[in-house]
Amino acid sequence: SQTIHQWPATLVQPVGSPLSLECTVEGTSNPNLYWYRQAAGRGLQLLFYSVGIGQISSEVPQNLSASRPQDRQFILSSKKLLLSDSGFYLCAFLPANTGELFFGEGSRLTVL
Amino acid sequence: AQSVTQPDIHITVSEGASLELRCNYSYGATPYLFWYVQSPGQGLQLLLKYFSGDTLVQGIKGFEAEFKRSQSSFNLRKPSVHWSDAAEYFCAVAGNTGFQKLVFGTGTRLLVSP
Repeated sequence: SQTIHQWPATLVQPVGSPLSLECTVEGTSNPNLYWYRQAAGRGLQLLFYSVGIGQISSEVPQNLSASRPQDRQFILSSKKLLLSDSGFYLCAFLPANTGELFFGEGSRLTVL
Repeated sequence: AQSVTQPDIHITVSEGASLELRCNYSYGATPYLFWYVQSPGQGLQLLLKYFSGDTLVQGIKGFEAEFKRSQSSFNLRKPSVHWSDAAEYFCAVAGNTGFQKLVFGTGTRLLVSP
């Protein structure tokens, strides 16, 4: 069966520190992978998506970056966190031709 | 580019009462439409989707939605709400990029009163 794992679940980081959120998918090959950020009252904002290894599309200019070093691994990073990076981050994958996004459980990031 | 509007930020419904959550989309052609549900602190789960065919689609947990092209709407309904339905509901649309990029609405938080 297809599963998605995202970690850490909760993270508290000081301003200026680095960030790494990791997402891995099992039970599918060559999925599309996504990073969303969710802020209160703003719905889900698509940050990055990837259609293959090393292929990253950025949707909004920001302090974050994404990488896909392996087919089923998607990493969200920052070199120096800002207060505005706080939020709930969701990884998702799209199996080929299904139209249904499968979401991870999310990572709550608080930048102090 | 496609967009989605969910005009209600919060809705409170009594347990056992019927529910309708509104969703309006903007897209020039026939869109792919979705409803997702999110429990607090969790990821999202697909309730139902519309691609083509019958404009009334059935989903999980007793939910249904109706696609109305003339109104650019895809409202979610449930005849009798249960306390466990309290959650946040998101409407989403995929358009000219196919499934690759879903655009989500800002969500509607459903509260269920006893």
